[in-house]
Amino acid sequence: KAGVTQTPRYLIKTRGQQVTLSCSPISGHRSVSWYQQTPGQGLQFLFEYFSETQRNKGNFPGRFSGRQFSNSRSEMNVSTLELGDSALYLCASSPMGGTGYGYTFGSGTRLTVV
Amino acid sequence: AQKITQTQPGMFVQEKEAVTLDCTYDTSDQSYGLFWYKQPSSGEMIFLIYQGSYDEQNATEGRYSLNFQKARKSANLVISASQLGDSAMYFCAMREGGARQLTFGSGTQLTVLP
Repeated sequence: KAGVTQTPRYLIKTRGQQVTLSCSPISGHRSVSWYQQTPGQGLQFLFEYFSETQRNKGNFPGRFSGRQFSNSRSEMNVSTLELGDSALYLCASSPMGGTGYGYTFGSGTRLTVV
Repeated sequence: AQKITQTQPGMFVQEKEAVTLDCTYDTSDQSYGLFWYKQPSSGEMIFLIYQGSYDEQNATEGRYSLNFQKARKSANLVISASQLGDSAMYFCAMREGGARQLTFGSGTQLTVLP
C-alpha cells in the first residue's frame, strides 16, 4: 500500500515568490494535515482538511493557505515568501475515526527561501 | 505552558542496551492520545507507538514500549536492545480530546554507539 507522497522533495525559492506544495494521502484516508518544522519553532500545526473542507487551522498568517481535492489530495500554498518560511513541511494523512486513529506522515518538502 | 515537554535534547546509548526517552504532558482533557514518532535524517516521521488516556495497559510495539504514568502525566518511550538504526530524533506528541491536530515536543536526538 503506497504511503503518503509529498512533492517536490526539495525546493528553493526567492523572497517574495509564492510556492505550492503537494500531498497525496494514503488511499482511503480522507484527512490531510500539514505541519511546519523549523529548528527554532519545532513542529507546528498549519491546518487540516477533511472532505475538501478546512477543519482546523494553526496560528499562521494568511499567507499560508491550502486546499483539498475530491480525491483527498491536498496542496498548500505560501505567498510572498519570507526567509523565515524556510522549513521542512510535513503532510500527514489519517482515516476518519475517533480516539486512537493514526497519522501517517510523508517524507516532507524541504523549502529554502533565499 | 508547554503541552509536551521533552527534557533530553540528546541521549547516547550503547548498542544492545535499553534506553528511556522522557516525555511529560499537560492537558485538562480526560480523553487524549499520546504518540511517539521517530524522525531519521531523511525527514520522514515514522510512527512508533500510541497510548490512549483510557488504556489501562502500557502500549508495546516490538522493541518499543510506552511507560504511561497518568497521575504523573508522563509517557516515556522505552527502546529495548538498541540498534544502530535507532539513531534518530524522537518526538513525543499529543492529541487532546476531539482535536484533530498533534502537538509535538521539542524532540530528543538519540545516538546509538557501536
